[in-house]
Amino acid sequence: QQQVKQSPQSLIVQKGGIPIINCAYENTAFDYFPWYQQFPGKGPALLIAIRPDVSEKKEGRFTISFNKSAKQFSLHIMDSQPGDSATYFCAARSPGGGADGLTFGKGTHLIIQP
Amino acid sequence: EPEVTQTPSHQVTQMGQEVILRCVPISNHLYFYWYRQILGQKVEFLVSFYNNEISEKSEIFDDQFSVERPDGSNFTLKIRSTKLEDSAMYFCASTVAMNTEAFFGQGTRLTVV
Repeated sequence: QQQVKQSPQSLIVQKGGIPIINCAYENTAFDYFPWYQQFPGKGPALLIAIRPDVSEKKEGRFTISFNKSAKQFSLHIMDSQPGDSATYFCAARSPGGGADGLTFGKGTHLIIQP
Repeated sequence: EPEVTQTPSHQVTQMGQEVILRCVPISNHLYFYWYRQILGQKVEFLVSFYNNEISEKSEIFDDQFSVERPDGSNFTLKIRSTKLEDSAMYFCASTVAMNTEAFFGQGTRLTVV
């Protein structure tokens, strides 16, 4: 019940395209859903996050769509650029937890081709 | 920009040996964490630390693991007798308070041979 399932495992998109990464969860008590971006040799960095009381959040070219009834959330990258090539992790946090409540997905290796 | 730093970036050790992974959290942060990522798998929580004691740990964090904040700046993870399956990327993270953004270090790649 603590799992967060992420797909696809890898994704190749042409520059300017809109990659979409999906995550699904089981635990309805999760109250915070962040996305992390990780470049080779670096640690995960928080990209954007959403709480279950909203259905969409946009920050620059990055958008999270959240479907509470389906227990799914997704990351969309508008006008993707080669510099967006990285591994993306979705995560979910248990209520009352700080970083120790984070349950991560397995990650998506995204390549944006010039 | 303040950041979490980890040393070494890569450590190779023989099975059965002790290793200590080091982290310097962001200076005004109060909560510290260790995560690990086995190659090709997801990031997994190991332990959280606050006020000089463990506040939460996962089932991965067994008696072979220990954490310490030996001084005002370092936060260490010790593995007493390493096993092959301990080979992974270990990430340190810190937060200024509970329920705030976690900042991750760049990781230490541990290889047990």
